This record gives sequence, C-alpha cells and structure tokens, in this order.
Amino acid sequence: EAQVTQNPRYLITVTGKKLTVTCSQNMNHEYMSWYRQDPGLGLRQIYYSMNVEVTDKGDVPEGYKVSRKEKRNFPLILESPSPNQTSLYFCASSLGQGAFYEQYFGPGTRLTVT
Amino acid sequence: AQTVTQSQPEMSVQEAETVTLSCTYDTSESDYYLFWYKQPPSRQMILVIRQEAYKQQNATENRFSVNFQKAAKSFSLKISDSQLGDAAMYFCAYRPRDDKIIFGKGTRLHILP
Repeated sequence: EAQVTQNPRYLITVTGKKLTVTCSQNMNHEYMSWYRQDPGLGLRQIYYSMNVEVTDKGDVPEGYKVSRKEKRNFPLILESPSPNQTSLYFCASSLGQGAFYEQYFGPGTRLTVT
Repeated sequence: AQTVTQSQPEMSVQEAETVTLSCTYDTSESDYYLFWYKQPPSRQMILVIRQEAYKQQNATENRFSVNFQKAAKSFSLKISDSQLGDAAMYFCAYRPRDDKIIFGKGTRLHILP
C-alpha cells in the first residue's frame, strides 16, 4: 500500500531533550516536506526537500533540523525542544515539487514538550 | 505576500442540506493550483478537490464542488447532501506552480443530525 508513515504518533517529552520524528514514504517520491499545525494557524511548512541531500527552509524552520540521506526517509530533528514546539506535525511527499503533483500526508505526530 | 483567508472558523449544517465554505486568496501569480483538504477527527489530511487556475470549469468530485472566481480570487467549497462523515476541519490551500503550498487557518464543519 502506498503510504507515508510517521513515528512516533504521540510523544511527550521535556524541554531540551533531543528527539527525532521519522518519516518514510514507499512511493519513490522526490519531494518531501514537514509541516506543523497549530490551532488558528493552519499548516505551516518547516522544511522541505527536493531530492536526496537537497533540503531548504520553509516558513518556520527555527529550532528544527532535517536530513535527506535516502530518498524514502526525511526525519525531523529537534535538537533542544521547547514548549512552543508543542504541535501536531505532518510529513508529506509528492512525486515532484510542482503544484501539479498531489501531496500525500502522513498520519501526523502529536508532540507535547513540557 | 501570498495569503489564504478562510473567514468562517466554524460552521454548522443540517444533515442532507447543502453548505458552502468560503476561501479567498491573494496573489499576483496567474498560474497556480487551489485545493480543499479535509481533516477528520483521525487527523489525516485528505485531498477533497483541486482546481487549476487556468481551467475555467469548476472542479467537481461527487458531492463536492467548487465555485472558482479567478478575478475575485475566491475559491469556495460546496458540499451537497451533507453527511455525518463530512464533519471535519476543512483547509483551503493555494500553491503556485513551482512554489510551496500555503494553507488557510481552517473551517470546522459540524453536521447536525
């Protein structure tokens, strides 16, 4: 089944404790991105990647890192999480970067930083 | 700046009735796509319908249709014969051909039995 998977689905952590949220797609998609969803703000892009070893900042990249060493994986790294990073996170992928290509979303990761 | 505005944070509709969710956007681009996404309580983001700006014909997917007014920069979603399963948060989104997608803040739709 074609899908985007994220792990973990739920995570409660403490300020400053490094964490990684994994994202994997099995559709051989080139374009992958991370979003955060906050009440009243919609979804905002954190980082995106157009292909292996090619990543760039989105609208809200502060406090996050990403890497794209393999085409299928695009982990989101929080080196020192803070409470303002409490949010719902989505990974998405598409065959190409352009708007023509439909984005497929993962199931979301609910992160709470205390 | 490119923005997407959903002016209705919440809406309610009686089951089997028709409801229209509004969306406006601001852009100087002429080539772009518009989308409506549904987010049910499961939180999964589901593409409902999309519209290419250069196509004048309004997109339709079963009970879902759009009213695309390019000059007015308006992209409303009409849901006909509303069903309980339509209850969700709906996001309007805009994307230029070769740039990132921009989402509105969402409209929460309640279906009244």
